[in-house]
Amino acid sequence: DAKTTQPPSMDCAEGRAANLPCNHSTISGNEYVYWYRQIHSQGPQYIIHGLKNNETNEMASLIITEDRKSSTLILPHATLRDTAVYYCIVRGNTGNQFYFGTGTSLTVIP
Amino acid sequence: GAVVSQHPSRVICKSGTSVKIECRSLDFQATTMFWYRQFPKKSLMLMATSNEGSKATYEQGVEKDKFLINHASLTLSTLTVTSAHPEDSSFYICSAPTGGRISDTQYFGPGTRLTVL
Repeated sequence: DAKTTQPPSMDCAEGRAANLPCNHSTISGNEYVYWYRQIHSQGPQYIIHGLKNNETNEMASLIITEDRKSSTLILPHATLRDTAVYYCIVRGNTGNQFYFGTGTSLTVIP
Repeated sequence: GAVVSQHPSRVICKSGTSVKIECRSLDFQATTMFWYRQFPKKSLMLMATSNEGSKATYEQGVEKDKFLINHASLTLSTLTVTSAHPEDSSFYICSAPTGGRISDTQYFGPGTRLTVL
């Protein structure tokens, strides 16, 4: 499975857009990029996923570079409840397993 | 989205006892489920893949005799921590994909906090 690299922590002002980067330079052609977040002491929550096109849903937008070696998760208007650890995961093409990296701890500041 | 539940949400037990944790997919069937554990301030670590009707597949370094997994039906997988010791204290989380394709979303349970005294 492709490994991902994320900054360990980020801050964002409440109401502003939070842009969380992820590098996955060894991603294979049919591997998807998934984003989850984990609020303290809870199970991970699905946010969004994509293959090569940009994706948007009610929670966030996912921007994947043309070469697919990196992506950015965008929370358009961060709120205090968005404070969590955000995980970027590349889905293995040999099974359904998700292997988590260290993630980015996002703190939304009032 | 799809819902995955776990029971119990937290359990405290004495060293040497066994603890069973249940993972249920509430509104979809899951032929495969996954078990993770997470130590404080660490990321989730995949322990094993639970397969309905067949043996579980364990990740390297995970003792299969220590962590017994049973996938009794298409909506239920159980993880039994046998002869638990304080070092087994952790946050155990299960997940289930909504389908068999790599593009299918995987949903996680709320987790079970195990404390072994």
